[in-house]
Amino acid sequence: DQQVKQNSPSLSVQEGRISILNCDYTNSMFDYFLWYKKYPAEGPTFLISISSIKDKNEDGRFTVFLNKSAKHLSLHIVPSQPGDSAVYFCAASEGNFGNEKLTFGTGTRLTIIP
Amino acid sequence: ETGVTQTPRHLVMGMTNKKSLKCEQHLGHNAMYWYKQSAKKPLELMFVYSLEERVENNSVPSRFSPECPNSSHLFLHLHTLQPEDSALYLCASSQQTGNTEAFFGQGTRLTVV
Repeated sequence: DQQVKQNSPSLSVQEGRISILNCDYTNSMFDYFLWYKKYPAEGPTFLISISSIKDKNEDGRFTVFLNKSAKHLSLHIVPSQPGDSAVYFCAASEGNFGNEKLTFGTGTRLTIIP
Repeated sequence: ETGVTQTPRHLVMGMTNKKSLKCEQHLGHNAMYWYKQSAKKPLELMFVYSLEERVENNSVPSRFSPECPNSSHLFLHLHTLQPEDSALYLCASSQQTGNTEAFFGQGTRLTVV
């Protein structure tokens, strides 16, 4: 049973517009959420995270929103740029500090159209 | 460059072969991980090492054997694999076993024939 779900395998967005990537989770014990970005032939790189005590975290063009009641988080990229084309993984963790485990979603391939 | 290096990048092996994947990190991290990424599946955590000791083994078949000789190096020894083991194997490291902000290597694309 997948505890972290990214239901959209792919997404295409026009350059300059907003990209919204969605992620749902089922485990109510998850208390920390992350987004990773992966280019072809490279490992995932950490992008942005959010703790369950917050509902929004912003870093430049990237904003992550968390809706705990809906067990849903989303990553907003605005404005979208061609270099944002990549696979984006949502991940979640639970547990005491120093003993967390990451559970990943299946990823969403984002394509930015010039 | 994330500071985590994996070799080889690509590997094709027969089911009777024995091979090893290597991972090296120069970040001074204390924890290292092996992940498996199969097509259309989430990244799966395989093994966790903290200060060279294995702290987690996620029900991985014995045909996968990890080794962590020091905090900078991690190996995954492979023997008698099956075609369904073909996947991208990713190594990661983090400051400690709370791997929330792990740094990943580029991965080894393994094909078992």
